Amino acid sequence: VQLQEAGPGLVKPSETLSLSCNVSGGSMSSYYWSWFRQPPGKGLEWLGYIYYSGNTKYSPSLKSRLTISIDTSKNLFSMKLTSVTTADTAIYFCAGVLVGQTIFDSWGQGALVTVTS
Amino acid sequence: QAVLTQPASLSASPGASVSLTCTLRSGINVAAYRIHWYQQQPGSPPHYLLNYKSDSDKHQGSGVPSRFSGSKDASANVGILFISGLQSEDEADYYCMIWHNSAAFFGGGTKLTVL
Repeated sequence: VQLQEAGPGLVKPSETLSLSCNVSGGSMSSYYWSWFRQPPGKGLEWLGYIYYSGNTKYSPSLKSRLTISIDTSKNLFSMKLTSVTTADTAIYFCAGVLVGQTIFDSWGQGALVTVTS
Repeated sequence: QAVLTQPASLSASPGASVSLTCTLRSGINVAAYRIHWYQQQPGSPPHYLLNYKSDSDKHQGSGVPSRFSGSKDASANVGILFISGLQSEDEADYYCMIWHNSAAFFGGGTKLTVL
């Protein structure tokens, strides 16, 4: 399965960061779909996942600001992060885990989002 | 306290062997968890290497050489990635990961330098 992130590269502080992940070559119902981020020069952070049914799980640290949604008709899933600050500047990755598995083995290339006024 | 803690950096010579450690937070027993390891090269997404729960329950990623292996040190509550016969292309960042309460947690990563 191939994944590709898409969305604005620049977001203003206090606004909402929106990204989508286009999925090809696989069934949307076969995976749990996750978002991650990696601030420049820093480590990976898992943000949350969604299943095709719409069930979600979020990182406790971002739960109040993050929404992940899915559109199976368009083969994509999306994230919205509200009230961003410069600390949200990062490369954002999407990835999938096969149902019943625990391994993130399909990743997008990542999208750099910079929060700046 | 972070769920998973890794040393920030490690260096070794070509041909040498290294052990990268991943310490689980007190109260999270390494014996109960499957430790996943990912390698990340600059400018690329993470690449799955392997996971290890026990000697009878482990998984090697597709195409990952056997010189990469996993283990645990239960006495120290640590997961270990062992790399033998270091090669220049092994120079990368390495992240451990577990699923805990249905959420994924990563360690801060270890930058491995092969010099």
